[in-house]
Amino acid sequence: SQTIHQWPATLVQPVGSPLSLECTVEGTSNPNLYWYRQAAGRGLQLLFYSVGIGQISSEVPQNLSASRPQDRQFILSSKKLLLSDSGFYLCAWSERNEQFFGPGTRLTVL
Amino acid sequence: GNSVTQMEGPVTLSEEAFLTINCTYTATGYPSLFWYVQYPGEGLQLLLKATKADDKGSNKGFEATYRKETTSFHLEKGSVQVSDSAVYFCALSGANQAGTALIFGKGTTLSVSS
Repeated sequence: SQTIHQWPATLVQPVGSPLSLECTVEGTSNPNLYWYRQAAGRGLQLLFYSVGIGQISSEVPQNLSASRPQDRQFILSSKKLLLSDSGFYLCAWSERNEQFFGPGTRLTVL
Repeated sequence: GNSVTQMEGPVTLSEEAFLTINCTYTATGYPSLFWYVQYPGEGLQLLLKATKADDKGSNKGFEATYRKETTSFHLEKGSVQVSDSAVYFCALSGANQAGTALIFGKGTTLSVSS
């Protein structure tokens, strides 16, 4: 069966520090992968998606970037965090029009 | 563009009460429709789905019917439990440039008391 992992589970970072969140998927090959952010009271916003290694599409301009160095690995990064980057970050993969979500990372920027 | 509108919460109910969370959508073509549930501190889990008009998705006592004529997918449950307390998201998926990325509503928080 397929599983999706995210780490860390929680993170507290100072403004201006770098960020790296990792997502890995097991039990499937060549999945579509997604990063969403859930900010308080604002629902889920699609940040990036990837249909293959090295292929990244950004949905909204922002302070973040994403990379897919391996088929089942999706990384969300920032060189300098902003206060507004705080939120709950969810990685997901899709199959047959369904999406399956990881447990999420709670990021607090102080 | 495609969008999803959910009723704003929070929704506060007593145990065994009837639940309705409204969801309407705007979309081109024929999207699939979903309800996801997020329990405190966790990621999202698929609750139910419907892929075409008049389909009814159901799971754990929850139901939603894909109504093309009213562009709605309201979530219902006849008798809620304390364990149903969570945030519920309505979403749609269709062919778009983001692969099968979902478009979510803002979520509705449900709080059930005993």
